[in-house]
Amino acid sequence: EVQLLESGGGLVQPGGSLRLSCAASGFTFNSFAMSWVRQAPGKGLEWVSAISARGTSIYYGDSVKGRFTISRDGAKSTLYLQMDSLRADDAATYYCVKELAEQWLLVGDSWGQGALVTVSS
Amino acid sequence: TVLTQSPGTLSLSPGERATLSCRASRSVTGSYVAWYHQKPGQAPRLLIYGASRRATGIPDRFSGSGSGTDFTLTISRLEPDDFAVYYCQQYGNSPITFGRGTRLEIK
Repeated sequence: EVQLLESGGGLVQPGGSLRLSCAASGFTFNSFAMSWVRQAPGKGLEWVSAISARGTSIYYGDSVKGRFTISRDGAKSTLYLQMDSLRADDAATYYCVKELAEQWLLVGDSWGQGALVTVSS
Repeated sequence: TVLTQSPGTLSLSPGERATLSCRASRSVTGSYVAWYHQKPGQAPRLLIYGASRRATGIPDRFSGSGSGTDFTLTISRLEPDDFAVYYCQQYGNSPITFGRGTRLEIK
């Protein structure tokens, strides 16, 4: 069974940084692209970032380009999202998502339960 | 590509058939449309991708169809666990976009 366990969420001040982690199990981590998708309270879904299985191809949504960095560690089966220069509109639940194939298609096959990020002074 | 989902809310009873619509503002390349449902406090779950391919573990009560700008999700016989918010997503055109959702509620 695929399991995706996010951690690292919390309260951060505007302009601050936070690093999310996602521990993956139940599948061959190095064979699948991974993504981060967020959902602000009561709002819709927004694809934040994606990384191919080998880490050679990366996608960022326009709203986070230049501020967020996605990475993965195959030895640890862990996905990361480094979030810098956080703004109030970055506040959301961030979901770790397993994709369908090695290359990201931006389709979420399996989802974690989410990590809540609050940006407030 | 703006995705318009209709109806906004659909009230049906268990055992009935549900038909949800997703209309795109321009043709979706490759019919790359996915459907998810999401229950309160839970993560979304993938139901359909590629307009008509069922995701792993999704029962055949769920079916997707369509091409170009018009896509449909059909649930043939509603079960209590199906009542949720349903989102369509297109990933064929850049940037990818989601619809605003259809709330499927128990009548």
